[in-house]
Amino acid sequence: DAGITQSPRHKVTETGTPVTLRCHQTENHRYMYWYRQDPGHGLRLIHYSYGVKDTDKGEVSDGYSVSRSKTEDFLLTLESATSSQTSVYFCATAPGDGAYEQYFGPGTRLTVT
Amino acid sequence: AQKVTQAQTEISVVEKEDVTLDCVYETRDTTYYLFWYKQPPSGELVFLIRRNSFDEQNEISGRYSWNFQKSTSSFNFTITASQVVDSAVYFCALAFSGGSNYKLTFGKGTLLTVNP
Repeated sequence: DAGITQSPRHKVTETGTPVTLRCHQTENHRYMYWYRQDPGHGLRLIHYSYGVKDTDKGEVSDGYSVSRSKTEDFLLTLESATSSQTSVYFCATAPGDGAYEQYFGPGTRLTVT
Repeated sequence: AQKVTQAQTEISVVEKEDVTLDCVYETRDTTYYLFWYKQPPSGELVFLIRRNSFDEQNEISGRYSWNFQKSTSSFNFTITASQVVDSAVYFCALAFSGGSNYKLTFGKGTLLTVNP
């Protein structure tokens, strides 16, 4: 158990509003990831971080930005939420890159109306 | 292209039956890693196993076993004597070299329902 929390756990927002999801870890893992899970798609990588202020894009990064100012926190921002961003968002951490097992947070269910 | 295919969308078995979940992957990398994760109805994702491409030894952990065959690009997962608590979505994943960091790509998952 990597001690990963996500906030909020549930959120309903309107199209066009900005939304920030937070991931917090207590394990001092270097790598952190944001995924989205949608029916029929499995999990898809949005962005990841390989250190403080070091981030890179995943396969579905359009419409999302991230920031990591501290080892323990990784923020995912939807600048202007759209209905297509309705999803369950998972944060994960790992001591190394994707070759290492990842530990997942409980998820955030986001609904954009 | 890096890809993971889990052809079985849903499987339903009766308790105590053995069940195999299939995973086929595609990659041009010679070094890669394969994973299985479990997502029970509560929603969290739980790591089950990690395998690197140079280790084709099969692995057994209790009622769980994994069969890695590079010749067929498969990494199948078998649950022996299934139990209701095994009901979950199971994801197979492939870590491939995406520049300076390995990245993980997931299959779409197989929903396993074990009925009493």
